[in-house]
Order: sequence, then C-alpha cells, then structure tokens
Amino acid sequence: SQTIHQWPATLVQPVGSPLSLECTVEGTSNPNLYWYRQAAGRGLQLLFYSIGIDQISSEVPQNLSASRPQDRQFILSSKKLLLSDSGFYLCAWTPAGTDTQYFGPGTRLTVL
Amino acid sequence: QQQVKQSPQSLIVQKGGISIINCAYENTAFDYFPWYQQFPGKGPALLIAIRPDVSEKKEGRFTISFNKSAKQFSLHIMDSQPGDSATYFCAASNGNTPLVFGKGTRLSVIA
Repeated sequence: SQTIHQWPATLVQPVGSPLSLECTVEGTSNPNLYWYRQAAGRGLQLLFYSIGIDQISSEVPQNLSASRPQDRQFILSSKKLLLSDSGFYLCAWTPAGTDTQYFGPGTRLTVL
Repeated sequence: QQQVKQSPQSLIVQKGGISIINCAYENTAFDYFPWYQQFPGKGPALLIAIRPDVSEKKEGRFTISFNKSAKQFSLHIMDSQPGDSATYFCAASNGNTPLVFGKGTRLSVIA
C-alpha cells in the first residue's frame, strides 16, 4: 500500500540552528512531492514542489531549501532558523499521472 | 488568476443542519476541484473531488456542487455532526501545476 512518512513529529529548535525535515513515500514510483507550511490557524503555503529527482521548484523566497536525493525522499532544510519559521510543515505527494494529492501527518516546528 | 477564493472564513452550524462552504476561481484551465478536511494537529485529508464534466458529486453526507459558467463550486455537508467540526479547504488545479488552495473555513457544529 501507499503511505507517506514524516519525521520528526514535533521539533523545538533555537533561533539560528539548522533544520532538516524528512519525508518518505512508500509503495509508488516517480511521485510529485510537495512541502507546505501552515501557520497557526492559517492556510496552506506551498514552499517547494518536485516532479523528479533534482527537479525542484521554489514557490516562496526564504531561508529554506529542499532536496530530493532519491525518487521517494524529499528533505526540507535550513542553515539558520528564524522565529518566523515556526509552523506546521506538511509533506504531500501525488501519484505519477494523477491529480489526487495526499498529505503526510506533518511536523510541528517551534523556533525559540 | 491563480487564486481560489473561499468563504466563509468561519461557520457555526447546529447539529443536524446543512453546512455550506463556497469557492470561486478565475482560471478556466482548472479541471480538478478537491475538498480537504483537516482536524487540529493533523494533515489535511482528501474528502471529495469533482471534475467539470459533472455538476454534482455526492459521497455520503458530503456533496460538491459545481457551476462551470459561474466558476464556482461548493461543499454541502448534510446532517452536520459535531465530529464534522474541522477546517475545510477547497483547491483547484489543471493537472500540470500544483493545487491552488483556498484559505480555509473553520466549521464548528454545535449540539
């Protein structure tokens, strides 16, 4: 079956520290992958999306970056976190050739 | 042109009533319109979706109504229950671009 994993589930980091969030999809090949951020009580902000390995589009300029080292792995990184980076980070995926998008369980990031 | 406008921002409905959430879009190239349901602390879950070739789709208590000429679509939740209390997002895409999401509607169903 097809599943999506995100880790960690929660993370508390000091300002200026690095960040690495990982997302892995199982049971599919060549999915489209997405990173979203959701501020408390707010909507879904698309940060990055990828249609293949090393094919990543950035939607919002910021101090975050994304990488896709393997077909089903998507990583969100930052060299130095800001207070404004706090939020709920969601990974999502779309099976190749379809529109249906599925979300992961999310990572709650608090930057102090 | 890429925006999807969702209303209302919040909605309070009595148990057993009908919840209605509306969305409007501008891009006539959009051909896929899903609705997502999100509970606090969870990722959004796909609820129901529609394509422009039909005007209505029903799954259980959830119905999407689609008006292509008006470029509007809406979610109806019949016999609303407290367990339906969540945030609902509409979205749209044309298959070649990422989903464009509305800003969400916070639904509270009170007994």
